[in-house]
Amino acid sequence: NAGVTQTPKFRILKIGQSMTLQCTQDMNHNYMYWYRQDPGMGLKLIYYSVGAGITDKGEVPNGYNVSRSTTEDFPLRLELAAPSQTSVYFCASSHAGATDTQYFGPGTRLTVL
Amino acid sequence: KQEVTQIPAALSVPEGENLVLNCSFTDSAIYNLQWFRQDPGKGLTSLLLIQSSQREQTSGRLNASLDKSSGRSTLYIAASQPGDSATYLCAPEPIKAAGNKLTFGGGTRVLVKP
Repeated sequence: NAGVTQTPKFRILKIGQSMTLQCTQDMNHNYMYWYRQDPGMGLKLIYYSVGAGITDKGEVPNGYNVSRSTTEDFPLRLELAAPSQTSVYFCASSHAGATDTQYFGPGTRLTVL
Repeated sequence: KQEVTQIPAALSVPEGENLVLNCSFTDSAIYNLQWFRQDPGKGLTSLLLIQSSQREQTSGRLNASLDKSSGRSTLYIAASQPGDSATYLCAPEPIKAAGNKLTFGGGTRVLVKP
């Protein structure tokens, strides 16, 4: 199993540009998550999904959109990038239930200039 | 809203010393609490998951305790090694949160000196 994979690893955007961060998991997990981590801080939840076709907002959803058309994929879309979106983005997945840990991807480091 | 605090923010110890990392949270209504390790430039790796009904969980040199009523968890790492240098994050899962959502603390950055 590859686990959770994310692409790209690094990206520099100009203000106002758009991009999609890709996330794929091969563990057949129901739940998937997008977090952002600012320097020296913990992770904050952007969006999450409990299954294909179902998404919901987390703590910091403004400026982002998601979709979940398949169990495996959970892309995060940035529209009109702003410097405040400079961060490291992590995708995670878990099976379901209170006993299951979350598995994290390696992250995408995004800089908006 | 769940608030999670980790103290200290950074810790430097000589190799062989035991490490004690603290995590406090404001909402005691949790399903479980997880401890993660994060190496520089990497994603998070789960170390231990303690269910709300458990008092502690052990894995090798790692032991995590949970006192749900007081909103505290402690991660102990015995006989630290340079390879233990990393940032450690705790994350309780609130009962009220759907979808197994976690709330993360800011982490404790650990440096173990040879």
